Amino acid sequence: QMQLQESGPRLVKPSQTLSLTCGVSGDSINSGDHFWSWLRQSPGKGLEWIGYIYYTGSTYYNPSLESRLTISLDTSQNHFSLHLSSVTAADTATYFCATATTWGRAFVLWGQGTMITVSS
Amino acid sequence: QSALTQPASVSGSPGQSITISCTGSSSDVGGFDYVSWYQHHPGKTPKLIISDVNKRPSGVSSRFSGSKYDTTASLTISGLQAEDEADYYCSSYTTTNIVVFGGGTKLTV
Repeated sequence: QMQLQESGPRLVKPSQTLSLTCGVSGDSINSGDHFWSWLRQSPGKGLEWIGYIYYTGSTYYNPSLESRLTISLDTSQNHFSLHLSSVTAADTATYFCATATTWGRAFVLWGQGTMITVSS
Repeated sequence: QSALTQPASVSGSPGQSITISCTGSSSDVGGFDYVSWYQHHPGKTPKLIISDVNKRPSGVSSRFSGSKYDTTASLTISGLQAEDEADYYCSSYTTTNIVVFGGGTKLTV
């Protein structure tokens, strides 16, 4: 059974880059069965879709984050990553990795989530 | 401001039914049958309860059902139980190949 696990620094300074990795077990990152996705939830706010990547390397980003965002695949490590640059306090949130269906982009499987704080 | 509009809160008594609406546009909800609904208990992982407007994943109670008319999708929960108290979010695939979410609805039982 496939599982996802987020990892990365929990504290990031303003203006720096937030970097997270989602380790995938139980399936190959080269599988064409999913879009590998990132979402977040800021304290007291709703869910926000960040972006996703397909095994071909094609990426799709939330327009509000696109200028600061990179999502990539690492097939050798069977994980995918999120890099969000020039962070501010507004980027403080719980970040989730997830898989999305290829047809309707339903987020079927979620990681546990990791709380990232942007603070000096 | 979220792309999809949901009521901030709804409430119901045990055993009753409630419906949560999710209003979008022709570029998202109205353009595809790709609306999903998630149940989120604070501090836990969101759970997919409806995909493709009205499909229930394996293991999801039949008390949850989804529908859509024009640019508004709806989630109905029948036979309300205390454990249904949670936040509910809708999402939709869009014409620009991205996903948009609603602002979430807090259900009080």
